[in-house]
Amino acid sequence: GAGVSQTPSNKVTEKGKYVELRCDPISGHTALYWYRQSLGQGPEFLIYFQGTGAADDSGLPNDRFFAVRPEGSVSTLKIQRTERGDSAVYLCASSLEHRESSGGYTFGSGTRLTVV
Amino acid sequence: DAKTTQPNSMESNEEEPVHLPCNHSTISGTDYIHWYRQLPSQGPEYVIHGLTSNVNNRMASLAIAEDRKSSTLILHRATLRDAAVYYCILRDGFGGGSNYKLTFGKGTLLTVNP
Repeated sequence: GAGVSQTPSNKVTEKGKYVELRCDPISGHTALYWYRQSLGQGPEFLIYFQGTGAADDSGLPNDRFFAVRPEGSVSTLKIQRTERGDSAVYLCASSLEHRESSGGYTFGSGTRLTVV
Repeated sequence: DAKTTQPNSMESNEEEPVHLPCNHSTISGTDYIHWYRQLPSQGPEYVIHGLTSNVNNRMASLAIAEDRKSSTLILHRATLRDAAVYYCILRDGFGGGSNYKLTFGKGTLLTVNP
């Protein structure tokens, strides 16, 4: 596609429920990143995929968070037993590779998750 | 990642130039200077990046101080659509460590007055 697509754009869920957030990167982009942005703050790194594998998941806050990218394209961020503190905008980005020659990353518009 | 310092907010008038400053006194020799902006309800958007020389593209210009301890993003003629949060980010460009990570601060909120 022309850009990074994230679905849904908004998600309201009850505390304790399970949610999945989807990211469709730009076709051909091998690198994919998830970030989380709380109100009034800059985005914070969660996880980086190179192809199908998670090269760095050090930003995931705890084991309730998990992400997959089984075929090296679409990625899903999964959150179990959601808590109110998980409420944020979850952003996905992709790039051809992570070296400088590829320029910048392309971000999606994000999924706004609200846990009530 | 080396840290950057930006003003919390700036104001400009439409069709006037805007100079957005960024200080990065602890920059290392392999750090590239990246700028992203984030419009309301959108994800961040790549603007420009550079290492030592000044850079120009269709969106903006990047002026880098000779000692690389500061840089300035220049919007030559601000429009209402340029109202956004602008982030200055350092990123190791030579594959060292976790250079794929972008470390965002709070950025500068630019307001453009009609």
